[in-house]
Amino acid sequence: AQKITQTQPGMFVQEKEAVTLDCTYDTSDPSYGLFWYKQPSSGEMIFLIYQGSYDQQNATEGRYSLNFQKARKSANLVISASQLGDSAMYFCAMGNAGGTSYGKLTFGQGTILTVHP
Amino acid sequence: DTEVTQTPKHLVMGMTNKKSLKCEQHMGHRAMYWYKQKAKKPPELMFVYSYEKLSINESVPSRFSPECPNSSLLNLHLHALQPEDSALYLCASSPGTSGGWEQYFGPGTRLTVT
Repeated sequence: AQKITQTQPGMFVQEKEAVTLDCTYDTSDPSYGLFWYKQPSSGEMIFLIYQGSYDQQNATEGRYSLNFQKARKSANLVISASQLGDSAMYFCAMGNAGGTSYGKLTFGQGTILTVHP
Repeated sequence: DTEVTQTPKHLVMGMTNKKSLKCEQHMGHRAMYWYKQKAKKPPELMFVYSYEKLSINESVPSRFSPECPNSSLLNLHLHALQPEDSALYLCASSPGTSGGWEQYFGPGTRLTVT
Protein backbone atom coordinates (compact mmCIF):
# COMPACT_ATOMS: atom_id res chain seq x y z
CA ALA A 1 0.00 0.00 0.00
CA GLN A 2 1.10 3.52 -0.69
CA LYS A 3 1.14 6.28 1.88
CA ILE A 4 1.90 10.00 1.77
CA THR A 5 2.56 11.98 4.94
CA GLN A 6 2.54 15.75 5.22
CA THR A 7 3.37 16.60 8.81
CA GLN A 8 2.83 20.37 8.64
CA PRO A 9 -0.87 21.28 8.86
CA GLY A 10 0.01 24.96 8.48
CA MET A 11 3.06 27.00 7.54
CA PHE A 12 3.74 30.74 7.59
CA VAL A 13 6.32 32.58 5.52
CA GLN A 14 7.24 36.18 4.95
CA GLU A 15 6.84 37.54 1.43
CA LYS A 16 10.01 37.14 -0.71
CA GLU A 17 11.43 34.44 1.55
CA ALA A 18 11.80 30.76 0.66
CA VAL A 19 9.72 28.03 2.28
CA THR A 20 9.94 24.23 2.36
CA LEU A 21 6.84 22.04 2.56
CA ASP A 22 7.56 18.53 3.79
CA CYS A 23 6.38 15.28 2.22
CA THR A 24 7.40 11.72 3.00
CA TYR A 25 6.11 8.66 1.23
CA ASP A 26 6.04 4.93 1.54
CA THR A 27 5.72 2.43 -1.30
CA SER A 28 7.10 -0.96 -2.26
CA ASP A 29 6.89 -0.21 -6.00
CA PRO A 30 10.21 0.64 -7.65
CA SER A 31 8.53 2.83 -10.28
CA TYR A 32 6.44 5.74 -9.07
CA GLY A 33 5.87 9.43 -9.54
CA LEU A 34 5.60 12.22 -7.02
CA PHE A 35 3.47 15.31 -7.59
CA TRP A 36 2.73 18.58 -5.89
CA TYR A 37 -0.54 20.43 -6.34
CA LYS A 38 -1.66 23.86 -5.18
CA GLN A 39 -5.27 24.51 -4.27
CA PRO A 40 -6.27 28.15 -3.69
CA SER A 41 -9.49 28.99 -1.90
CA SER A 42 -11.24 29.05 -5.29
CA GLY A 43 -10.97 25.25 -5.32
CA GLU A 44 -9.06 24.45 -8.50
CA MET A 45 -6.17 22.00 -8.09
CA ILE A 46 -3.15 23.38 -9.93
CA PHE A 47 -0.39 20.97 -10.97
CA LEU A 48 2.98 22.38 -9.90
CA ILE A 49 5.76 19.85 -10.34
CA TYR A 50 6.52 16.17 -10.96
CA GLN A 51 9.40 13.89 -10.02
CA GLY A 52 9.84 10.36 -11.33
CA SER A 53 11.41 7.72 -9.12
CA TYR A 54 14.19 7.10 -11.64
CA ASP A 55 14.95 10.76 -12.30
CA GLN A 56 18.53 11.54 -11.33
CA GLN A 57 18.06 15.27 -10.93
CA ASN A 58 15.63 17.19 -8.77
CA ALA A 59 12.73 18.67 -10.70
CA THR A 60 12.41 22.43 -11.02
CA GLU A 61 9.63 24.59 -12.45
CA GLY A 62 10.18 28.30 -12.12
CA ARG A 63 10.08 29.18 -8.41
CA TYR A 64 9.21 25.60 -7.47
CA SER A 65 11.75 22.87 -6.90
CA LEU A 66 11.36 19.38 -5.54
CA ASN A 67 14.01 18.19 -3.10
CA PHE A 68 13.92 14.45 -3.84
CA GLN A 69 15.78 12.22 -1.38
CA LYS A 70 14.99 8.68 -2.46
CA ALA A 71 16.79 6.86 0.34
CA ARG A 72 14.89 8.91 2.91
CA LYS A 73 11.65 8.65 0.92
CA SER A 74 11.08 12.35 1.00
CA ALA A 75 9.91 14.76 -1.69
CA ASN A 76 9.84 18.23 -0.20
CA LEU A 77 8.58 21.22 -2.18
CA VAL A 78 10.68 24.36 -2.05
CA ILE A 79 9.08 27.65 -3.04
CA SER A 80 11.57 30.44 -3.54
CA ALA A 81 10.77 34.15 -3.27
CA SER A 82 7.27 33.63 -1.84
CA GLN A 83 4.46 35.80 -3.14
CA LEU A 84 1.11 36.67 -1.58
CA GLY A 85 -0.56 34.61 -4.30
CA ASP A 86 1.22 31.51 -3.03
CA SER A 87 -1.14 31.40 -0.05
CA ALA A 88 -3.09 28.17 -0.57
CA MET A 89 -3.40 24.51 0.41
CA TYR A 90 -0.60 22.35 -0.98
CA PHE A 91 -0.97 18.62 -1.56
CA CYS A 92 1.75 16.07 -2.14
CA ALA A 93 0.68 12.99 -4.11
CA MET A 94 2.14 9.75 -5.42
CA GLY A 95 1.11 7.50 -8.26
CA ASN A 96 2.21 4.58 -10.40
CA ALA A 97 2.72 4.61 -14.13
CA GLY A 98 0.82 1.73 -15.49
CA GLY A 99 -1.22 -1.38 -15.22
CA THR A 100 -4.44 -1.37 -13.31
CA SER A 101 -3.11 1.31 -10.95
CA TYR A 102 -2.76 3.92 -13.67
CA GLY A 103 -4.31 7.15 -12.54
CA LYS A 104 -4.63 6.25 -8.91
CA LEU A 105 -2.99 9.04 -6.93
CA THR A 106 -2.49 8.83 -3.19
CA PHE A 107 -2.72 12.29 -1.62
CA GLY A 108 -1.32 13.60 1.63
CA GLN A 109 -3.50 15.56 4.04
CA GLY A 110 -2.19 18.87 2.78
CA THR A 111 -0.37 21.89 4.19
CA ILE A 112 -1.97 25.33 4.36
CA LEU A 113 0.63 27.95 3.45
CA THR A 114 0.07 31.56 4.46
CA VAL A 115 2.34 34.25 3.04
CA HIS A 116 2.58 37.42 5.12
CA PRO A 117 3.38 40.80 3.54
CA ASP B 1 -3.46 24.68 -23.33
CA THR B 2 -3.87 22.69 -20.10
CA GLU B 3 -7.52 23.50 -19.54
CA VAL B 4 -10.20 21.26 -18.15
CA THR B 5 -13.65 22.84 -17.99
CA GLN B 6 -16.49 21.86 -15.71
CA THR B 7 -20.14 22.88 -15.65
CA PRO B 8 -21.97 23.98 -13.66
CA LYS B 9 -19.78 25.82 -11.15
CA HIS B 10 -22.41 25.53 -8.45
CA LEU B 11 -25.35 23.15 -8.11
CA VAL B 12 -28.06 22.89 -5.48
CA MET B 13 -30.32 19.86 -5.71
CA GLY B 14 -32.89 18.10 -3.64
CA MET B 15 -32.61 14.48 -2.64
CA THR B 16 -35.16 13.40 -5.25
CA ASN B 17 -33.64 15.33 -8.15
CA LYS B 18 -31.62 14.00 -11.07
CA LYS B 19 -28.78 16.17 -12.32
CA SER B 20 -25.56 15.81 -14.26
CA LEU B 21 -22.08 17.27 -13.96
CA LYS B 22 -20.08 17.81 -17.14
CA CYS B 23 -16.36 17.88 -17.80
CA GLU B 24 -14.48 18.59 -21.02
CA GLN B 25 -10.85 18.63 -22.10
CA HIS B 26 -9.23 19.26 -25.48
CA MET B 27 -5.67 18.25 -24.67
CA GLY B 28 -5.95 14.88 -26.37
CA HIS B 29 -5.75 13.17 -23.01
CA ARG B 30 -6.96 9.58 -22.87
CA ALA B 31 -7.62 9.26 -19.14
CA MET B 32 -10.26 11.18 -17.22
CA TYR B 33 -11.19 11.19 -13.54
CA TRP B 34 -13.86 12.16 -11.06
CA TYR B 35 -12.91 13.14 -7.51
CA LYS B 36 -14.95 14.17 -4.50
CA GLN B 37 -13.45 16.63 -2.04
CA LYS B 38 -14.70 17.71 1.35
CA ALA B 39 -13.51 20.98 2.89
CA LYS B 40 -9.85 20.97 4.03
CA LYS B 41 -9.43 17.33 3.00
CA PRO B 42 -7.56 15.76 0.08
CA PRO B 43 -9.52 14.72 -3.01
CA GLU B 44 -10.95 11.22 -2.98
CA LEU B 45 -10.85 9.32 -6.24
CA MET B 46 -14.25 8.10 -7.45
CA PHE B 47 -13.82 6.89 -11.04
CA VAL B 48 -11.14 6.58 -13.71
CA TYR B 49 -11.79 6.25 -17.42
CA SER B 50 -8.89 5.09 -19.55
CA TYR B 51 -9.36 5.16 -23.32
CA GLU B 52 -13.08 5.69 -22.76
CA LYS B 53 -13.49 2.57 -20.67
CA LEU B 54 -14.16 2.57 -16.95
CA SER B 55 -10.96 1.25 -15.39
CA ILE B 56 -11.36 2.15 -11.72
CA ASN B 57 -14.51 2.47 -9.59
CA GLU B 58 -13.60 3.13 -5.98
CA SER B 59 -16.71 1.41 -4.61
CA VAL B 60 -18.81 4.49 -5.25
CA PRO B 61 -22.54 4.23 -4.43
CA SER B 62 -24.76 3.64 -7.45
CA ARG B 63 -26.46 7.01 -7.00
CA PHE B 64 -23.36 8.31 -8.81
CA SER B 65 -23.20 7.12 -12.41
CA PRO B 66 -20.27 8.10 -14.65
CA GLU B 67 -20.37 8.26 -18.43
CA CYS B 68 -17.65 8.89 -20.99
CA PRO B 69 -19.37 9.64 -24.36
CA ASN B 70 -16.06 10.29 -26.12
CA SER B 71 -12.41 10.94 -25.33
CA SER B 72 -13.03 14.64 -24.57
CA LEU B 73 -16.14 14.43 -22.42
CA LEU B 74 -16.93 13.01 -19.03
CA ASN B 75 -20.26 13.19 -17.24
CA LEU B 76 -21.34 12.33 -13.73
CA HIS B 77 -25.04 11.59 -13.37
CA LEU B 78 -26.50 12.18 -9.93
CA HIS B 79 -29.70 10.63 -8.58
CA ALA B 80 -31.23 10.36 -5.12
CA LEU B 81 -28.25 11.95 -3.40
CA GLN B 82 -27.87 12.40 0.33
CA PRO B 83 -26.89 15.59 2.20
CA GLU B 84 -23.50 14.02 2.99
CA ASP B 85 -22.80 13.98 -0.75
CA SER B 86 -22.46 17.76 -0.63
CA ALA B 87 -18.86 18.47 -1.67
CA LEU B 88 -16.62 19.88 -4.37
CA TYR B 89 -16.54 17.53 -7.36
CA LEU B 90 -13.37 17.74 -9.38
CA CYS B 91 -12.73 16.40 -12.83
CA ALA B 92 -9.20 15.74 -14.07
CA SER B 93 -7.44 14.38 -17.14
CA SER B 94 -4.03 12.94 -17.92
CA PRO B 95 -2.27 11.84 -21.10
CA GLY B 96 -2.90 8.12 -20.67
CA THR B 97 -0.83 4.99 -20.16
CA SER B 98 1.35 5.72 -23.19
CA GLY B 99 2.23 9.19 -21.94
CA GLY B 100 2.82 10.99 -18.68
CA TRP B 101 0.51 10.67 -15.75
CA GLU B 102 0.37 14.17 -14.28
CA GLN B 103 -3.28 15.05 -13.84
CA TYR B 104 -4.76 18.40 -14.78
CA PHE B 105 -7.84 19.43 -12.84
CA GLY B 106 -10.85 21.51 -13.67
CA PRO B 107 -12.21 24.26 -11.38
CA GLY B 108 -14.77 21.92 -9.84
CA THR B 109 -18.50 21.93 -9.20
CA ARG B 110 -19.65 22.85 -5.70
CA LEU B 111 -22.61 20.61 -5.02
CA THR B 112 -25.11 21.17 -2.22
CA VAL B 113 -27.74 18.53 -1.55
CA THR B 114 -30.75 19.78 0.43
